Amino acid sequence: EDQVTQSPEALRLQEGESSSLNCSYTVSGLRGLFWYRQDPGKGPEFLFTLYSAGEEKEKERLKATLTKKESFLHITAPKPEDSATYLCAVRAFSGGYNKLIFGAGTRLAVHP
Amino acid sequence: DGGITQSPKYLFRKEGQNVTLSCEQNLNHDAMYWYRQDPGQGLRLIYYSQIVNDFQKGDIAEGYSVSREKKESFPLTVTSAQKNPTAFYLCASSGTSGDLITDTQYFGPGTRLTVL
Repeated sequence: EDQVTQSPEALRLQEGESSSLNCSYTVSGLRGLFWYRQDPGKGPEFLFTLYSAGEEKEKERLKATLTKKESFLHITAPKPEDSATYLCAVRAFSGGYNKLIFGAGTRLAVHP
Repeated sequence: DGGITQSPKYLFRKEGQNVTLSCEQNLNHDAMYWYRQDPGQGLRLIYYSQIVNDFQKGDIAEGYSVSREKKESFPLTVTSAQKNPTAFYLCASSGTSGDLITDTQYFGPGTRLTVL
């Protein structure tokens, strides 16, 4: 069964304390892995797309990497404004159509 | 500004009522989607449409209906047959490149539906 698992469920960091969020997946035929940021009560905001193992993308304090079985979202020297839920999704051919399969997210809290 | 709008932001429904959630986009995207988000779970696909006048069921379509009469609009109706409709509903859109393999989905701000 196609599945996306994110860990940890919640993460608390001090400002400036770097860390990584994990997204592991089991899908037949990965066709892209997506990272989104979601603030409370709002829609997800697109961050990155990764397509092949070894690929890396960066945006400000965020860096996403991809292997054959998982992706990491590295957060370097985070600030309080980085607090949000980070969602991972994989595009796979499942149930007869291309679809996004979402993980449950990691809630990140960065404290000053 | 290009984007996706959803209305209303909050919606309250009484038992037995049908309600319709609005989704409009001005990104000139062909494909549109409806997702449901529940606490502690990933987003789940309700319906999607790749082109005007065509739509397909997603993983949890029971109790929901949609229409796609215009490229810009993809309204979702939550019917009385949906047993547990209280959730956060998200609309998304994307361009198309044949079979949606590579196109990124962009999301609207969401509608929170509560059943009284």
